[in-house]
Amino acid sequence: EVQLVESGGGLVQPGGSLRLSCEASGLTFIIHYIHWVRLAPGKGPEWVSRVSPDGANTNYADSVKGRFTISRDNAKNSVFLQMNSVRAEDTAVYFCARDRAQGGSGWFDSWGQGTLVTVAS
Amino acid sequence: QSVVTMSPSASGTPGQKVTISCSGRTSNIGSNPVTWYQQVPGRAPKLLIYSNDQRPPGVPDRFSGSKSGTSASLAISGLQSEDEADYYCVTWDDSVNGVFFGGGTKLTVL
Repeated sequence: EVQLVESGGGLVQPGGSLRLSCEASGLTFIIHYIHWVRLAPGKGPEWVSRVSPDGANTNYADSVKGRFTISRDNAKNSVFLQMNSVRAEDTAVYFCARDRAQGGSGWFDSWGQGTLVTVAS
Repeated sequence: QSVVTMSPSASGTPGQKVTISCSGRTSNIGSNPVTWYQQVPGRAPKLLIYSNDQRPPGVPDRFSGSKSGTSASLAISGLQSEDEADYYCVTWDDSVNGVFFGGGTKLTVL
C-alpha cells in the first residue's frame, strides 16, 4: 500500500521560513514525479510545485516562485518543500501527492494526510 | 482569468445525469491529458478520471470522462446524494510549465 506522510507544518510569522517533508513508502519512489498541492481555507486546491523523478527538474506556481524550493532525496524516499518569505496567503494544508503520469501532468492517485501551515504574527 | 475554466455550480436530482465542463487552451487541455477529482471540504481530492477518460479501480462506472479539442467533460449518471461535492479538472500547461486546477464546480443534488 502506498503511503505518503507529510510533516513540518506549524505556525510561522510572516517573512519566516518552514521546511515541509514528505516521506513515501510502498512504491517505487524513484520513478515518480512528486507534487505539493495546498488547500487554503474556503478555497479550492492549488498546485504548488513538482519535482522530477531524478530531482533534476522542478516547477513552481507563480504564487510561490522565488520563495519556495522543492527537492528530493531518493535514498530516503523523501521530498521536501523549503518555504521562505512566507505570507499570510500561504496559510493552507499542504499535501504531497504521487503522480502516476510519466510526464508528471497531474494524475495524483496517492495523497498524504496533509500538514497545516499557518502564517500569522 | 483562470487558465482552465469551469462553471461554478451544477445541480441535478437523484437518478439524473449531469455533465461538468472544463474549458482550456491549446497549451493545456489541447495538448495534455485531463484528470478529474472529487473533493469534500477539508480533505484531499479523490481521483475520479485520469488520461481524459480512464477510470481507476473502485470508481463507479457512473462517472465518465471525455475530451475534445480544448475542452473536457465529466459526466455523472444515476446521480446520488453522496455525489454532492466539488469537482475539479486538472491538466498541465506547456506555456507556463505548471499544473492547473480548474476553478471547480460545486455539484448540488436536489
